[in-house]
Amino acid sequence: QQQVKQSPQSLIVQKGGISIINCAYENTAFDYFPWYQQFPGKGPALLIAIRPDVSEKKEGRFTISFNKSAKQFSLHIMDSQPGDSATYFCAASVWGAGSYQLTFGKGTKLSVIP
Amino acid sequence: GAVVSQHPSRVICKSGTSVKIECRSLDFQATTMFWYRQFPKQSLMLMATSNEGSKATYEQGVEKDKFLINHASLTLSTLTVTSAHPEDSSFYICSARGPQGAGYGYTFGSGTRLTVV
Repeated sequence: QQQVKQSPQSLIVQKGGISIINCAYENTAFDYFPWYQQFPGKGPALLIAIRPDVSEKKEGRFTISFNKSAKQFSLHIMDSQPGDSATYFCAASVWGAGSYQLTFGKGTKLSVIP
Repeated sequence: GAVVSQHPSRVICKSGTSVKIECRSLDFQATTMFWYRQFPKQSLMLMATSNEGSKATYEQGVEKDKFLINHASLTLSTLTVTSAHPEDSSFYICSARGPQGAGYGYTFGSGTRLTVV
């Protein structure tokens, strides 16, 4: 059972445009929602993360929007650049003490064209 | 910030031999470490979760005797692929989590590309 659904599978955006990736989760116990960026041949790198006590978090050009009632969260990349071309994974976990694992979405391959 | 060092980054081995991959948390104590396998153009698949000083918990379908995990200290976990075969060729990634009370999330290593010939 896939607990985190991510869409779209691939995304092509023009340079300077806004990239939007969406995720939906099922487990209401999740209370930590990170986004990871992965380049080919590298491990995932944390981009930005949010807890349910806020509905939006912004770090530079990256913004997470979180809708607890809908059990959805999204990543917005403003002023997308060719260097942002990578695969993006959303994930969810329980934040509390314990060996809680991350549940990943299937990933979105973003291509930013000049 | 939290840094996880994973090595080797690439390894080629002959079929039937064993390969060890190391994962170290450099600037924090990792209460829990995770090992993932990633196939091309796919998401990360959790193989096992390990806590320092205790046996690893393997996900369903992962062979414990083939993928040996040792978490001997709070900063080091190793994955040994025993009697490797070509079908074990893959991208292996470790992740470490520090103390939640200190605000640590999940930090990933840079991955190991294993090719079995």
